[in-house]
Amino acid sequence: GIQVEQSPPDLILQEGANSTLRCNFSDSVNNLQWFHQNPWGQLINLFYIPSGTKQNGRLSATTVATERYSLLYISSSQTTDSGVYFCAVPNTGGFKTIFGAGTRLFVKA
Amino acid sequence: DTEVTQTPKHLVMGMTNKKSLKCEQHMGHRAMYWYKQKAKKPPELMFVYSYEKLSINESVPSRFSPECPNSSLLNLHLHALQPEDSALYLCASSHPRGEGSPLHFGNGTRLTVT
Repeated sequence: GIQVEQSPPDLILQEGANSTLRCNFSDSVNNLQWFHQNPWGQLINLFYIPSGTKQNGRLSATTVATERYSLLYISSSQTTDSGVYFCAVPNTGGFKTIFGAGTRLFVKA
Repeated sequence: DTEVTQTPKHLVMGMTNKKSLKCEQHMGHRAMYWYKQKAKKPPELMFVYSYEKLSINESVPSRFSPECPNSSLLNLHLHALQPEDSALYLCASSHPRGEGSPLHFGNGTRLTVT
């Protein structure tokens, strides 16, 4: 089945810093999502981005489907950005969504 | 994202209890999912319903029993659970997968089995 790898596994930032999170996947996908799970466990949709670039405020994401990776950019980080960032892709032809192991982000005030 | 509603938010139950988790969505989605998440791990798929029929059971023990009464509701009935079943249980919904639809998650039920 499809493999999803995220890097880095852990990241500590000073408030105001920028960062890039990466998601590599082992096979072609027609659907990729980025989620933020806050410290209370809420799993929040950030982007649905099978290809191309999208922006939402301080966050943006780019997926290069032909090269099998996606990047999540966080600019001017805030303490509320802390939590775990997951990327997720569907397995071929099915309902099963494969999650990466996540990037655990801590933003210091 | 609060378009998928889960109740209760927290649940503590003994190993001999019977309880149910509930999930409701009004986005017109015809696929609904139960996920289980342990600490510091990604969510793991348990069950998928498509058009109110069970499509996927990821070899989940029978002490977990899903039910989809209609296209908006999804329940997870719990009976004779073990302490290792303590976890965050997440419900999600989407359009059927062939349409390339994103998953929308509820806020989860944090379950503790004593």
